[in-house]
Order: sequence, then C-alpha cells, then structure tokens
Amino acid sequence: DAGITQSPRHKVTETGTPVTLRCHQTENHRYMYWYRQDPGHGLRLIHYSYGVKDTDKGEVSDGYSVSRSKTEDFLLTLESATSSQTSVYFCAIRGQGIDEQYFGPGTRLTVT
Amino acid sequence: GEDVEQSLFLSVREGDSSVINCTYTDSSSTYLYWYKQEPGAGLQLLTYIFSNMDMKQDQRLTVLLNKKDKHLSLRIADTQTGDSAIYFCAESSSGGSYIPTFGRGTSLIVHP
Repeated sequence: DAGITQSPRHKVTETGTPVTLRCHQTENHRYMYWYRQDPGHGLRLIHYSYGVKDTDKGEVSDGYSVSRSKTEDFLLTLESATSSQTSVYFCAIRGQGIDEQYFGPGTRLTVT
Repeated sequence: GEDVEQSLFLSVREGDSSVINCTYTDSSSTYLYWYKQEPGAGLQLLTYIFSNMDMKQDQRLTVLLNKKDKHLSLRIADTQTGDSAIYFCAESSSGGSYIPTFGRGTSLIVHP
C-alpha cells in the first residue's frame, strides 16, 4: 500500500472555519498529489508536489493551499471552508516504476 | 486539455465477461492504466499497458489497446460479485509532469 496514511479520516466542520488535512508517506517518494472525488466528476487534481517546498496547482486549486516542509508530509489547507468543498479527499504518491500512483484511504470532509 | 472518457455504469451477471471501454485524446500517452476503487477505499492499480503494446493478459484480466483509435478496454472474464467496484481508466505521457489524466470511472455492478 506504499505506506500512505491520511488524517483525519472523517471530519465535519462549519462554513468559514479553517481545515487542514494531512498526508503521510513512509517510503521517501518525491511526488505527492491531492485529489478530490465527487459524484459525476471523478477525480480532480487540487495541488501536487515534486519535492520539499516545491508545489504547483492542479485544475481545482481555488480555495486550497498546500505545504510540504518534509518529504514524508503533504498538507492540504482549506483557509475558509465552504459547502462546495464537501468531498472525499485523496492523497497519492507517484510510484518508481511506470509512473503509477498509489492512493491513501481518503478523508471524507463535510462542511455544514 | 487532454481528456479520458468512459461510460458511467455497467451491469453484468455473475459468471459473464465484463468489458469496460475508455477513449483518450493524448496521442503522446506512454502508459495507460486501469485502477479499481472498492467502496470506502482509495484507488488501486489493477493493470497497465505500454503504448507500444496492443494486448496484455493477466489472469482474468485482458487489456486491449487500439492506439490508432485511442481506445482502451478492460475485459474481466468470469466476473464475480467481488469485482463490483468503480474502474478508472487513466493515461500518462512522458512529458515529465507525471500528472496522469483520469476518466470519471465506470461503476461495475455484478448481479448474482
């Protein structure tokens, strides 16, 4: 499973509050990704990282920020959560072989 | 941008073969993948094919690639109820960004 964990696994928060989701990997992979999954939209890339302090935006980055101060941790922050950010969030890493991705178990976030 | 399309639903009877289809637009695709997502879990790589191949077989799974038509299919022989899941087609090119493009996923429902 490439040693990927996500925390928390479930969270309910109120509109306007800040939220930080954590992705942790144990195998020193360089590339890490944050996706959101919504019915009818499949997976959409929010942000990704190609090294410590090196990050870039994906297709749905508005309202989200990320940080990577250590190889093993990639944090996703919603500065002021909105109901449209209710979703399931997945972290992934890039494998070493065929550019495949390994996914974490997901975080279900509900913004009320 | 590049696009990957797949039908949203497929229903089959247990023991029959399932065929999930996918089309993509990126002519520079190097790798094409099939991922499986079971309820409440992240995506897991099921199989993959290099763009210079036209077929790959792995036990009950057969992947067919028609590069001219940019069409990828996944055949599951002797489909079981445990194969019920969402199947995602994805492609990755060798351009160096290491960001795969995912389809929206096909929900496979297997009836006893």
